Amino acid sequence: NAGVMQNPRHLVRRRGQEARLRCSPMKGHSHVYWYRQLPEEGLKFMVYLQKENIIDESGMPKERFSAEFPKEGPSILRIQQVVRGDSAAYFCASSPGDRGSSPLHFGNGTRLTVT
Amino acid sequence: DAKTTQPPSMDCAEGRAANLPCNHSTISGNEYVYWYRQIHSQGPQYIIHGLKNNETNEMASLIITEDRKSSTLILPHATLRDTAVYYCIVRVAGYGNKLVFGAGTILRVKS
Repeated sequence: NAGVMQNPRHLVRRRGQEARLRCSPMKGHSHVYWYRQLPEEGLKFMVYLQKENIIDESGMPKERFSAEFPKEGPSILRIQQVVRGDSAAYFCASSPGDRGSSPLHFGNGTRLTVT
Repeated sequence: DAKTTQPPSMDCAEGRAANLPCNHSTISGNEYVYWYRQIHSQGPQYIIHGLKNNETNEMASLIITEDRKSSTLILPHATLRDTAVYYCIVRVAGYGNKLVFGAGTILRVKS
């Protein structure tokens, strides 16, 4: 029973390029959450999605960041025109339902480095 | 979501029980208490959660006080691999609510 899969594990981008981070939830999970962890800082919520719907994007930066979770395939976090401040670990989590009693299960993250 | 208060760090001897406290004095009746940990730079790992009753699984036990204003996570026989940051989080038992992480407790297990 595979866990939450994120790829790539490490991603290096130059300033101004685009970064695409992928997240495949656990089997049977249709709810996906994205978090960001800046160096030496805590985990910050970014966005919560169900299949084809964004439910809560209160933590997403207003510009350059977008997320999707299509009917088929993984969830994608897209960062356009990356800047050095985007360097961080990005974690994806999934859950089988949207109740407060359904634990979130996290992947091991994508570490983005912007040069 | 209710705010939680945890000590910034704790030490524990290998083989001993690690007892990690958490205060959540403003918790509401429909909020769950969740515990996660993050080992080095890995993704957060789910440990356990509870609403009112004490809970136990293969990893840990969760003791929630009767008034629900505080809880304790117990790792019965800590090993060096349990060294991590431990997060206590309260989460509404409604729909679609994310987990809000605080600073957590750094637990250092020492031989």
